Amino acid sequence: RKEVEQDPGPFNVPEGATVAFNCTYSNSASQSFFWYRQDCRKEPKLLMSVYSSGNEDGRFTAQLNRASQYISLLIRDSKLSDSATYLCVVRLGQNFVFGPGTRLSVLP
Amino acid sequence: NAGVTQTPKFRVLKTGQSMTLLCAQDMNHEYMYWYRQDPGMGLRLIHYSVGEGTTAKGEVPDGYNVSRLKKQNFLLGLESAAPSQTSVYFCASSPDRDREFFGPGTRLTVL
Repeated sequence: RKEVEQDPGPFNVPEGATVAFNCTYSNSASQSFFWYRQDCRKEPKLLMSVYSSGNEDGRFTAQLNRASQYISLLIRDSKLSDSATYLCVVRLGQNFVFGPGTRLSVLP
Repeated sequence: NAGVTQTPKFRVLKTGQSMTLLCAQDMNHEYMYWYRQDPGMGLRLIHYSVGEGTTAKGEVPDGYNVSRLKKQNFLLGLESAAPSQTSVYFCASSPDRDREFFGPGTRLTVL
């Protein structure tokens, strides 16, 4: 079993739609949780950290359920510029473990 | 600040050749990482460093060596390149193990 698993995607949604991504992790000792965004042929960039209490940044909301070892990302009112691959990342000890990513295409 | 830079951006090698990838950061970060990214897979950690003069193996270290002689630089070496090492290589640095800043990547093809 992979340490971090994500929805396989791709997700194709119209502009203005709400889309949710799911992620699960296998190691209960994981310490920190993140969503990164990666544009085609570019480097990953931090989108937001994820906290147990849930957190929001504009149109983006992230949730963490430690008991279920589950992380989610909700994007509201999606824009064309949201098209990218979204990577779920956990920190385990010294290292970051990346999920395979879920690709999102927002269509006009 | 330039952030994290990687040299070269592209390289084509023949099987058995050697090369060194350079990662440099100007943010005074303690932690540095080398990853490879292959289609359909997440980034996989090759080696990492928690400070100048220290290195450690990650998930996929075989065929690679690293050095961190200066805090700002983290070098990744391939002693005898193999086609299985064709990949995109990303370097990252972190100030606190809670955020990573990535370089633009090096696209390596081994023929």
